[in-house]
Amino acid sequence: EVQLVESGGGLVQPGGSLRLSCSASGFTFSNFWMTWLRQAPGKGLEWVANIRRDGSVKSYVDSVNGRFTISRDNAKNSLYLQMNSLRVEDTAVYYCARDFSPAYYYDSNTYYLDAFDVWGQGTMVTVSS
Amino acid sequence: AIQMTQSPSSLSASVGDRVTITCRASQGIRNDLGWYQQKPGKAPKLLIYGTSTLQSGVPSRFSGSGSGTDFTLTISSLQPEDFATYYCLQDYNYPRTFGQGTKVEVK
Repeated sequence: EVQLVESGGGLVQPGGSLRLSCSASGFTFSNFWMTWLRQAPGKGLEWVANIRRDGSVKSYVDSVNGRFTISRDNAKNSLYLQMNSLRVEDTAVYYCARDFSPAYYYDSNTYYLDAFDVWGQGTMVTVSS
Repeated sequence: AIQMTQSPSSLSASVGDRVTITCRASQGIRNDLGWYQQKPGKAPKLLIYGTSTLQSGVPSRFSGSGSGTDFTLTISSLQPEDFATYYCLQDYNYPRTFGQGTKVEVK
């Protein structure tokens, strides 16, 4: 069964750190881009960061850039999100998602889409004093 | 960052109704748009990517259209399991951005 399982969430004080993990099973992890997304209580979805198959390319939303670090260990089929200098506004359910990156052809060029077809159940991060 | 504006933010509908949700991008995004469905307490589910390509296993009553800045998700005949919140997501550039969501409720 294709599955993603997040762990590592919890309660942390402002300014603190937390490391989230996402364990993948049932598919060849190293073949896929991976993404972290989050959802604050009662709010909409927010894309946080993604990472290329081999870990060589990473992107972040501005609000976490410089504080959060996405990484992966393909030998362990695991994705990580190191979160430092946490703020109250980082409180959210954090999801990891697999991106199967479908290609399409437009104007003689090939482009790759994001398509998050497998999601974890989410892990709650609460930043509060 | 590209802003995605969804409308309406909520709607009330009955089983069998045709439902249309709109997403407008603050700049052109080609066809780089996806739609996700989320039910309370659950992770989102991919419905459509690349504006109009139905994800495997998604019922054909869901369809997507549009290009450039204006996009539409249509549910041709609303079913009981379709009451949920729907989000559009642009993947044209970074950071990826979602619309604010449309909650489809029972009328």
